Amino acid sequence: EVQLVQSGAEVKKPGESLKISCKGSGYSFTSYWIGWVRQMPGKGLEWMGIIYPGDSDTRYSPSFRGQVTISVDKSISTAYLQWSSLKASDTAMYYCARRVHSTSWFDYWGQGTLVTVSS
Amino acid sequence: SYELTQPLSVSVALGQTARITCGGNNIGSKNVHWYQHKPGQAPVMVIYRDSKRPSGIPERFSGSNSGNTATLTISRAQAGDEAEYYCQVWDSSTHWVFGGGTKLTVL
Repeated sequence: EVQLVQSGAEVKKPGESLKISCKGSGYSFTSYWIGWVRQMPGKGLEWMGIIYPGDSDTRYSPSFRGQVTISVDKSISTAYLQWSSLKASDTAMYYCARRVHSTSWFDYWGQGTLVTVSS
Repeated sequence: SYELTQPLSVSVALGQTARITCGGNNIGSKNVHWYQHKPGQAPVMVIYRDSKRPSGIPERFSGSNSGNTATLTISRAQAGDEAEYYCQVWDSSTHWVFGGGTKLTVL
């Protein structure tokens, strides 16, 4: 069974750093892209970026380039999304999702990680 | 940048047919995918490539795409279909684009 299991909820202060994770199982982790999607409170889904664990090829949405870093540790089948300095506006639910190579859809999603940034 | 427009909400009587639209410039030339998102759960893909159903998705879910509008159709709507529904396309300039989401209410 394909599963994407994300790390737990986080509460941080503005200016702090954070790294959240997404662990894939039940499939060949290095053969599928992992994307990250943000959902701010009461809002829709926004694509942030995507990484191919096979070679760490990474693409960012222009809206998020420079704001976050996406990485992967294929030895433990885990993708990461990190911030070096959080802002209150980073408060949101973050989802990882799997994309089949050469397709344009996300077929499996993680359960989401809630990030709350508040002083 | 490419944008997708969805109605904020759609209501349907139990057992009737719901139609959720997704508007975009010449969207008929793109592959449209639909996701169902229930509160506290992971989103689930219900339609890909305009009209294909993933394994495990009921036949009640169908999709179409032509011109400037793609449509997700849910036949014989059930209480369990209540959710937010998002359309999504890939665009060469914006990459992965999602619509704003439509809240489906089953009355």
